[in-house]
Amino acid sequence: ETVLTQSPGTLSLSPGERATLSCRTSQSVNNYLAWYQQKPGQAPRLLIYGTSGRATGIPDRFSGSGSGTDFTLTISRLEPEDFAVYYCQQYGGSPLTFGGGTKVEIK
Amino acid sequence: EVQLVESGGGLVQPGGSLRLSCVDSGFTFRSYDMHWVRQAPGKGLEWVSYISYTSATIYYADSVKGRFTMSRDNAKNSLYLQMNSLRDDDTAVYYCAREAGGSKPYWYFDLWGRGTLVTVSS
Repeated sequence: ETVLTQSPGTLSLSPGERATLSCRTSQSVNNYLAWYQQKPGQAPRLLIYGTSGRATGIPDRFSGSGSGTDFTLTISRLEPEDFAVYYCQQYGGSPLTFGGGTKVEIK
Repeated sequence: EVQLVESGGGLVQPGGSLRLSCVDSGFTFRSYDMHWVRQAPGKGLEWVSYISYTSATIYYADSVKGRFTMSRDNAKNSLYLQMNSLRDDDTAVYYCAREAGGSKPYWYFDLWGRGTLVTVSS
């Protein structure tokens, strides 16, 4: 099983700042990595697939990058609606696995 | 609006059973493979099971294999998860999620429901 480790656990930032979230995989996932956003009481929302592909309707302030075992989600300028929990998910191996999440909170 | 709505969660004793349902609206359900994903309280997400659009292929996580059964009824735009022999560690919010690849699995999820809470406790 591929283990995903997200860091930091919590990121405290102000609106307008840049957020950089990390996801490290225990083995190569061949860039088959997705990112989701989840707000309290809401359904998770797909942001990024295939490491850097932006899902339909996702603003361009969200970007994904990385390769091998190290991946990054960057939010270039935080908007008030971006404060949420973010999860990475690998689909390069079985079973599908998720990271533990990074909470982006208002500083 | 395109959405998925889960139902059927609740409180059940260890060893008991529960059947979850998920109904879609706004898209061609019968053309999509589907998944169940769960989230234990305060924990991360865990993939539970997958079903192809024809029901010909079904996969389960090892943690639920032999206890849970996933099925679908395309005529009713509905997805199901029959959960038997429930254990304390099955306590979680259960989400149904749409396969991003439609009828050809890409193995990530482009639409999720809000989830239904299952609590296993005596």
